[in-house]
Amino acid sequence: EPEVTQTPSHQVTQMGQEVILRCVPISNHLYFYWYRQILGQKVEFLVSFYNNEISEKSEIFDDQFSVERPDGSNFTLKIRSTKLEDSAMYFCASKEVLRTQYFGPGTRLLVL
Amino acid sequence: KNEVEQSPQNLTAQEGEFITINCSYSVGISALHWLQQHPGGGIVSLFMLSSGKKKHGRLIATINIQEKHSSLHITASHPRDSAVYICAVRGGNEKLTFGTGTRL
Repeated sequence: EPEVTQTPSHQVTQMGQEVILRCVPISNHLYFYWYRQILGQKVEFLVSFYNNEISEKSEIFDDQFSVERPDGSNFTLKIRSTKLEDSAMYFCASKEVLRTQYFGPGTRLLVL
Repeated sequence: KNEVEQSPQNLTAQEGEFITINCSYSVGISALHWLQQHPGGGIVSLFMLSSGKKKHGRLIATINIQEKHSSLHITASHPRDSAVYICAVRGGNEKLTFGTGTRL
């Protein structure tokens, strides 16, 4: 069964460093998402992406965040200058039109 | 802004028990998702529904649009069902709003 993959599974970085989280959505899916889950808290929507542009973003998704689909298969989330509070599990998801979302296994980001 | 409430927060059951997890939301939605989060953190989509009832194996999900309420039932629960069950709702856009989850 096709699945969403994410790399790396874990990343440790220093505060102020840039990180890029990578996702490979399911190949025929058209809608892509990033979510985050701070330890012990609920999952939060960050951004949705369709037709090569952001379709919706949350208040969390400020200028420090950006998304890109550089080559038609990868979908990346970049955090320009990480803060301690960016430490969380980041999930990518993708879906077809009118179907349910498929989630990746997540990237656990720790900012020191 | 949609508020999503789940109950109970924690649930302990004996093997074979019938389990119900409830979800209520405050604003009209286009779809509701039930998700399962495993201890390692991975999330699996169980159901997406906008009306009525869906069944998959021992899992049943129902939704009452007028009452803004959904339930997830597990018949004949098994230790492998241990996980966090999350309700998430979608409004007229692509954003999902998540509940805090029920730890079974």
